[in-house]
Amino acid sequence: EPEVTQTPSHQVTQMGQEVILRCVPISNHLYFYWYRQILGQKVEFLVSFYNNEISEKSEIFDDQFSVERPDGSNFTLKIRSTKLEDSAMYFCASIPRVVDEQYFGPGTRLTVT
Amino acid sequence: AQSVAQPEDQVNVAEGNPLTVKCTYSVSGNPYLFWYVQYPNRGLQFLLKYITGDNLVKGSYGFEAEFNKSQTSFHLKKPSALVSDSALYFCAVRDIRDSNYQLIWGAGTKLIIKP
Repeated sequence: EPEVTQTPSHQVTQMGQEVILRCVPISNHLYFYWYRQILGQKVEFLVSFYNNEISEKSEIFDDQFSVERPDGSNFTLKIRSTKLEDSAMYFCASIPRVVDEQYFGPGTRLTVT
Repeated sequence: AQSVAQPEDQVNVAEGNPLTVKCTYSVSGNPYLFWYVQYPNRGLQFLLKYITGDNLVKGSYGFEAEFNKSQTSFHLKKPSALVSDSALYFCAVRDIRDSNYQLIWGAGTKLIIKP
């Protein structure tokens, strides 16, 4: 069964450094999402992406964040200058159609020290 | 504004007993409703969804949920709980008029099944 994959599984970085989190959505999916979850807490929407552009973003998704789909498979989330409060699990998700459930990747645990 | 409420932070149930995890929602239009489960240190797994049709939907691992439009609820249920059902459960809703198809998430309910 196809699945969403994410790399790395765990990233440790120093405050102020740039990080890129990578996701490979399921190949025939059209809508892509990034979420974050601070340990054991609520899942928070960051951004949705469709047709090679951001379709919606939350207030969390400020100028420090960016997303790209550099080729036909990868979907990346970049944080330009990490802050301590960016420490969280970051989940990528994708869907083929609006009525479908979102398929989540296993997540990347980002630790900012 | 769209929102999802899971009024219980934690639900404790004895193994073999029925369980209910509550969810209520608020959207402008008609909802698409979802339940996801998260096991410790794992990603989110889809359990079931309501799009249209029968108000009672059945999903993975013996779970079911009932859509109640008048009460704007979508409670998750299972007739007989297993210890392995212990996990964090999230309810989510999408307004079908939302062209970005963003999911609005509840805060999660920790389900603890005791042997």
